[in-house]
Amino acid sequence: GAVVSQHPSRVICKSGTSVKIECRSLDFQATTMFWYRQFPKQSLMLMATSNEGSKATYEQGVEKDKFLINHASLTLSTLTVTSAHPEDSSFYICSARDREGTGELFFGEGSRLTVL
Amino acid sequence: GENVEQHPSTLSVQEGDSAVIKCTHSDSASNYFPWYKQELGKRPQLIIDIRSNVGEKKDQRIAVTLNKTAKHFSLHITETQPEDSAVYFCAASFWTNTGNQFYFGTGTSLTVIP
Repeated sequence: GAVVSQHPSRVICKSGTSVKIECRSLDFQATTMFWYRQFPKQSLMLMATSNEGSKATYEQGVEKDKFLINHASLTLSTLTVTSAHPEDSSFYICSARDREGTGELFFGEGSRLTVL
Repeated sequence: GENVEQHPSTLSVQEGDSAVIKCTHSDSASNYFPWYKQELGKRPQLIIDIRSNVGEKKDQRIAVTLNKTAKHFSLHITETQPEDSAVYFCAASFWTNTGNQFYFGTGTSLTVIP
Protein backbone atom coordinates (compact mmCIF):
# COMPACT_ATOMS: atom_id res chain seq x y z
CA GLY A 1 0.00 0.00 0.00
CA ALA A 2 0.88 3.65 -0.10
CA VAL A 3 3.28 5.06 2.49
CA VAL A 4 2.92 8.21 4.54
CA SER A 5 5.95 9.31 6.50
CA GLN A 6 5.74 11.67 9.46
CA HIS A 7 8.64 13.39 11.15
CA PRO A 8 9.69 13.78 13.89
CA SER A 9 8.26 10.82 15.75
CA ARG A 10 9.03 12.39 19.11
CA VAL A 11 9.77 15.96 20.08
CA ILE A 12 10.26 17.65 23.41
CA CYS A 13 10.26 21.41 23.56
CA LYS A 14 10.11 24.24 26.02
CA SER A 15 6.95 26.19 26.60
CA GLY A 16 6.71 29.16 24.23
CA THR A 17 8.65 27.63 21.39
CA SER A 18 7.26 26.48 18.04
CA VAL A 19 7.42 22.96 16.66
CA LYS A 20 7.04 21.84 13.06
CA ILE A 21 5.82 18.40 12.10
CA GLU A 22 6.14 17.13 8.54
CA CYS A 23 3.90 14.70 6.73
CA ARG A 24 5.01 13.25 3.41
CA SER A 25 3.34 10.91 0.97
CA LEU A 26 6.26 8.87 -0.32
CA ASP A 27 4.92 7.07 -3.36
CA PHE A 28 1.75 8.89 -4.29
CA GLN A 29 0.36 12.36 -4.68
CA ALA A 30 -2.00 13.66 -2.07
CA THR A 31 -4.05 16.74 -2.83
CA THR A 32 -5.60 16.43 0.60
CA MET A 33 -4.01 15.55 3.90
CA PHE A 34 -5.64 15.43 7.30
CA TRP A 35 -4.22 16.28 10.68
CA TYR A 36 -5.49 14.55 13.80
CA ARG A 37 -4.81 14.88 17.46
CA GLN A 38 -5.09 11.88 19.74
CA PHE A 39 -5.15 11.88 23.51
CA PRO A 40 -4.25 8.72 25.44
CA LYS A 41 -6.84 5.99 24.99
CA GLN A 42 -9.05 8.28 22.96
CA SER A 43 -10.10 8.59 19.39
CA LEU A 44 -8.64 10.52 16.51
CA MET A 45 -9.85 14.09 16.60
CA LEU A 46 -9.77 15.78 13.23
CA MET A 47 -8.04 19.13 13.54
CA ALA A 48 -7.89 20.32 9.97
CA THR A 49 -7.95 19.33 6.34
CA SER A 50 -4.89 20.43 4.42
CA ASN A 51 -5.42 21.22 0.76
CA GLU A 52 -2.52 21.54 -1.65
CA GLY A 53 -2.15 25.10 -2.88
CA SER A 54 -4.88 26.58 -0.72
CA LYS A 55 -5.71 27.36 2.86
CA ALA A 56 -6.42 24.59 5.29
CA THR A 57 -9.92 23.98 6.56
CA TYR A 58 -10.01 23.89 10.35
CA GLU A 59 -12.50 22.05 12.49
CA GLN A 60 -14.57 23.97 14.98
CA GLY A 61 -12.64 24.81 18.11
CA VAL A 62 -9.19 24.45 16.55
CA GLU A 63 -7.19 27.68 16.58
CA LYS A 64 -5.79 28.31 13.12
CA ASP A 65 -3.22 30.76 14.45
CA LYS A 66 -2.05 28.20 16.94
CA PHE A 67 -1.82 25.27 14.55
CA LEU A 68 -0.42 26.51 11.27
CA ILE A 69 -0.83 24.18 8.34
CA ASN A 70 0.98 24.47 5.05
CA HIS A 71 0.49 22.15 2.08
CA ALA A 72 3.00 23.49 -0.40
CA SER A 73 3.25 20.45 -2.65
CA LEU A 74 1.37 17.30 -3.54
CA THR A 75 3.58 15.24 -1.25
CA LEU A 76 4.18 17.46 1.78
CA SER A 77 2.06 19.03 4.47
CA THR A 78 3.40 20.62 7.63
CA LEU A 79 1.80 21.37 10.97
CA THR A 80 3.44 24.03 13.12
CA VAL A 81 2.41 24.27 16.74
CA THR A 82 3.16 27.88 17.59
CA SER A 83 4.01 29.13 21.07
CA ALA A 84 3.51 25.66 22.44
CA HIS A 85 2.19 25.12 25.95
CA PRO A 86 2.00 21.99 28.09
CA GLU A 87 -1.65 21.51 27.16
CA ASP A 88 -0.55 21.11 23.54
CA SER A 89 1.27 17.93 24.51
CA SER A 90 -0.35 15.15 22.53
CA PHE A 91 0.02 12.59 19.76
CA TYR A 92 -0.42 14.21 16.36
CA ILE A 93 -1.11 12.02 13.33
CA CYS A 94 -1.39 12.97 9.70
CA SER A 95 -3.10 11.02 6.98
CA ALA A 96 -3.41 11.25 3.24
CA ARG A 97 -5.67 9.92 0.58
CA ASP A 98 -4.20 8.70 -2.66
CA ARG A 99 -5.29 11.13 -5.34
CA GLU A 100 -5.59 8.39 -7.93
CA GLY A 101 -6.57 5.64 -5.57
CA THR A 102 -9.61 4.01 -4.12
CA GLY A 103 -10.22 6.37 -1.24
CA GLU A 104 -8.26 4.48 1.37
CA LEU A 105 -6.74 6.68 4.02
CA PHE A 106 -3.08 6.12 4.89
CA PHE A 107 -1.66 7.30 8.18
CA GLY A 108 1.73 8.61 9.19
CA GLU A 109 3.55 7.13 12.15
CA GLY A 110 2.44 9.92 14.42
CA SER A 111 4.41 12.52 16.37
CA ARG A 112 4.51 12.57 20.14
CA LEU A 113 4.84 16.18 21.30
CA THR A 114 5.80 16.94 24.87
CA VAL A 115 5.88 20.54 25.95
CA LEU A 116 7.74 21.20 29.18
CA GLY B 1 -21.97 17.02 9.69
CA GLU B 2 -21.36 13.37 10.31
CA ASN B 3 -21.37 11.92 13.84
CA VAL B 4 -20.06 8.42 14.48
CA GLU B 5 -20.78 6.51 17.67
CA GLN B 6 -18.94 3.34 18.58
CA HIS B 7 -19.63 0.67 21.21
CA PRO B 8 -18.32 -0.82 23.37
CA SER B 9 -15.38 1.31 24.46
CA THR B 10 -13.62 -1.71 25.93
CA LEU B 11 -14.03 -5.37 25.15
CA SER B 12 -12.33 -8.44 26.62
CA VAL B 13 -12.73 -11.87 25.09
CA GLN B 14 -11.14 -15.24 25.58
CA GLU B 15 -8.84 -16.44 22.85
CA GLY B 16 -10.83 -18.26 20.22
CA ASP B 17 -14.08 -16.42 20.94
CA SER B 18 -15.65 -13.85 18.65
CA ALA B 19 -15.62 -10.09 19.10
CA VAL B 20 -18.20 -7.68 17.76
CA ILE B 21 -17.87 -3.91 17.62
CA LYS B 22 -20.78 -1.75 16.56
CA CYS B 23 -20.97 1.72 15.07
CA THR B 24 -23.72 4.06 14.02
CA HIS B 25 -23.46 7.15 11.90
CA SER B 26 -25.79 10.06 11.31
CA ASP B 27 -25.24 11.31 7.77
CA SER B 28 -27.05 9.30 5.12
CA ALA B 29 -24.69 10.73 2.52
CA SER B 30 -21.74 8.73 3.90
CA ASN B 31 -20.92 5.94 1.53
CA TYR B 32 -17.60 4.52 2.68
CA PHE B 33 -16.98 2.83 6.03
CA PRO B 34 -13.43 1.72 6.87
CA TRP B 35 -12.22 0.03 10.01
CA TYR B 36 -8.78 0.70 11.45
CA LYS B 37 -6.66 -1.17 13.95
CA GLN B 38 -4.21 0.78 16.07
CA GLU B 39 -1.64 -0.92 18.22
CA LEU B 40 -0.16 1.01 21.10
CA GLY B 41 2.04 3.86 19.92
CA LYS B 42 1.61 2.97 16.27
CA ARG B 43 -0.29 4.33 13.32
CA PRO B 44 -3.82 3.16 12.53
CA GLN B 45 -3.91 0.51 9.83
CA LEU B 46 -6.85 -0.25 7.58
CA ILE B 47 -8.10 -3.78 8.18
CA ILE B 48 -11.31 -3.85 6.18
CA ASP B 49 -13.72 -1.46 4.54
CA ILE B 50 -17.16 -1.52 3.01
CA ARG B 51 -19.04 0.72 0.63
CA SER B 52 -22.69 1.57 0.88
CA ASN B 53 -23.70 -0.58 -2.07
CA VAL B 54 -22.61 -3.72 -0.22
CA GLY B 55 -24.21 -5.30 2.85
CA GLU B 56 -21.41 -7.55 3.99
CA LYS B 57 -17.75 -8.14 3.34
CA LYS B 58 -15.44 -10.80 4.70
CA ASP B 59 -11.68 -11.22 4.79
CA GLN B 60 -10.56 -14.40 6.56
CA ARG B 61 -11.40 -13.93 10.27
CA ILE B 62 -12.69 -10.40 9.84
CA ALA B 63 -16.07 -9.38 8.52
CA VAL B 64 -18.00 -6.15 8.33
CA THR B 65 -21.74 -5.71 7.94
CA LEU B 66 -23.61 -2.61 6.93
CA ASN B 67 -27.27 -1.73 7.40
CA LYS B 68 -27.54 1.31 5.19
CA THR B 69 -31.11 2.15 6.18
CA ALA B 70 -30.47 1.98 9.90
CA LYS B 71 -27.03 3.58 9.52
CA HIS B 72 -25.43 0.76 11.47
CA PHE B 73 -22.21 -1.04 10.67
CA SER B 74 -20.35 -3.65 12.64
CA LEU B 75 -16.98 -5.38 12.77
CA HIS B 76 -16.86 -9.08 13.53
CA ILE B 77 -13.65 -10.88 14.44
CA THR B 78 -13.86 -14.65 14.76
CA GLU B 79 -11.40 -17.05 16.37
CA THR B 80 -9.69 -14.17 18.14
CA GLN B 81 -5.98 -14.35 18.85
CA PRO B 82 -3.83 -12.38 21.31
CA GLU B 83 -2.36 -10.38 18.43
CA ASP B 84 -5.84 -9.05 17.73
CA SER B 85 -5.52 -7.01 20.92
CA ALA B 86 -5.53 -3.34 19.89
CA VAL B 87 -7.78 -0.33 19.59
CA TYR B 88 -10.24 -0.49 16.72
CA PHE B 89 -11.80 2.56 15.10
CA CYS B 90 -14.71 2.71 12.75
CA ALA B 91 -15.10 5.63 10.39
CA ALA B 92 -17.64 7.06 8.00
CA SER B 93 -16.91 9.07 4.92
CA PHE B 94 -18.67 10.56 1.95
CA TRP B 95 -16.26 9.62 -0.76
CA THR B 96 -16.02 11.31 -4.13
CA ASN B 97 -13.25 11.57 -6.67
CA THR B 98 -12.52 15.11 -5.58
CA GLY B 99 -12.19 14.61 -1.89
CA ASN B 100 -13.78 13.61 1.38
CA GLN B 101 -13.41 13.76 5.11
CA PHE B 102 -13.28 10.85 7.48
CA TYR B 103 -15.12 10.91 10.78
CA PHE B 104 -13.96 8.42 13.36
CA GLY B 105 -15.72 6.61 16.15
CA THR B 106 -14.42 6.84 19.69
CA GLY B 107 -12.56 3.56 19.49
CA THR B 108 -12.84 0.15 21.11
CA SER B 109 -9.98 -1.28 23.12
CA LEU B 110 -10.02 -5.02 22.48
CA THR B 111 -8.14 -7.38 24.75
CA VAL B 112 -7.87 -11.04 23.82
CA ILE B 113 -7.05 -13.12 26.86
CA PRO B 114 -4.84 -16.15 26.12
